[in-house]
Amino acid sequence: QSVLTQPPSVSGAPGQRVTISCTGSSSNIGAGYDVNWYQQLPGAAPKLLIYGNTYRPSGVPDRFSGSKSGTSASLAISGLQAGDGADYYCQSFDSSLSASVFGGGTKLTVL
Amino acid sequence: QLQLQESGPGLVKTSETLSLTCSVSGDSIRRSVEYWVWIRQPPGKGLEWIGSIHFSGSSYYNPSLKSRVTMSVDTSKNELSLKLTSVTAADTAVYYCARVGEYSSSSIDQWGQGTLVTVSS
Repeated sequence: QSVLTQPPSVSGAPGQRVTISCTGSSSNIGAGYDVNWYQQLPGAAPKLLIYGNTYRPSGVPDRFSGSKSGTSASLAISGLQAGDGADYYCQSFDSSLSASVFGGGTKLTVL
Repeated sequence: QLQLQESGPGLVKTSETLSLTCSVSGDSIRRSVEYWVWIRQPPGKGLEWIGSIHFSGSSYYNPSLKSRVTMSVDTSKNELSLKLTSVTAADTAVYYCARVGEYSSSSIDQWGQGTLVTVSS
């Protein structure tokens, strides 16, 4: 049971927009800690996609965007491409656990 | 270009100690803005933060693993190390070393390729 809750799977057709939610609590996202997002392609290490809730590292397309409100955060992917099929993870810090925590991951299927 | 490479035994016996090394190239481990972390991922499952360490030696461990984990830094070799004692099958996972700090104080911006460690009797 992950501290941050993500839907197990989402899907969308090429060109569509999908969102992935990350729900936390008052001891992590709701406490103001940053949310980061990672993309993990099959057989590869995770890659930083969004940091500080909304910022993209250099090289990440602007099709990827992040937002945060209250105790939740979201990752939006617009203009879906076949290569976006991957697992996506959110990450934050939890003050009651004194630990960095990850969501359980969401598998994105591009139909 | 920063590169991280994990190495160590791929098979560890139950109740023994898992020991891994992470070789860092393309950047000095002594850069003060950075923390170095270990993350693991059981086969088919999600990511778990093991702990973070600064080159100064200050470290923070996942409370669920704290009693069994030791992380260290060897600045002369530009290497990190991880030791996990009294392992069980639940510790079977791909272990990643990674860097925190290039973009923010919490985001993991560079990852090693990971190394699979299987725990078996």
